[in-house]
Amino acid sequence: AQTVTQSQPEMSVQEAETVTLSCTYDTSENNYYLFWYKQPPSRQMILVIRQEAYKQQNATENRFSVNFQKAAKSFSLKISDSQLGDTAMYFCAFCQNNNDMRFGAGTRLTVKP
Amino acid sequence: ETGVTQTPRHLVMGMTNKKSLKCEQHLGHNAMYWYKQSAKKPLELMFVYNFKEQTENNSVPSRFSPECPNSSHLFLHLHTLQPEDSALYLCASSQDRGSANTGELFFGEGSRLTVL
Repeated sequence: AQTVTQSQPEMSVQEAETVTLSCTYDTSENNYYLFWYKQPPSRQMILVIRQEAYKQQNATENRFSVNFQKAAKSFSLKISDSQLGDTAMYFCAFCQNNNDMRFGAGTRLTVKP
Repeated sequence: ETGVTQTPRHLVMGMTNKKSLKCEQHLGHNAMYWYKQSAKKPLELMFVYNFKEQTENNSVPSRFSPECPNSSHLFLHLHTLQPEDSALYLCASSQDRGSANTGELFFGEGSRLTVL
């Protein structure tokens, strides 16, 4: 079974600074997808960014970017110029073939003013 | 109107009660999911329905009983629950089960369940 590990239960960052959330995963497959989801307090979980494993180029969405290290099975999320609205739980997720999405335990990020 | 709506948002029940969680999606999707979110644990996939047919049951205890009367509605019937079942229950949908590969999962806000 595929597993997703987020080793940082909680993190904090000052507004306008940069923070990196870690994620590692375990699989024997070569083709798969990786995701970061954001769950704001009492609000819906939404997709932040997606990476296809066959693409070497790291995905970027505005202030959010990933560092995808396929050999190391690492998929970290970098948030630049942190904003108060970035305060949320962040979940790393993994999906391959037609299997269902598997999530990590989440990292609670707090952006401090 | 949000795409995926869950009711109730909060539920407190005793171990002998019978209650149900409801999920409704207004996105025209054909796959719906129940996830259990417990503190400091990975999200647990419980059930998957694709075109109203249950395609996944991840060894969930029988005290949780899903029902999918149509592609837009998904229920989770609860009876004789245990305190350890207290958690946030998330409903999600996707166009179909395969499109979940591309991350196109849309979540509801969740139902916070407390079992006394």
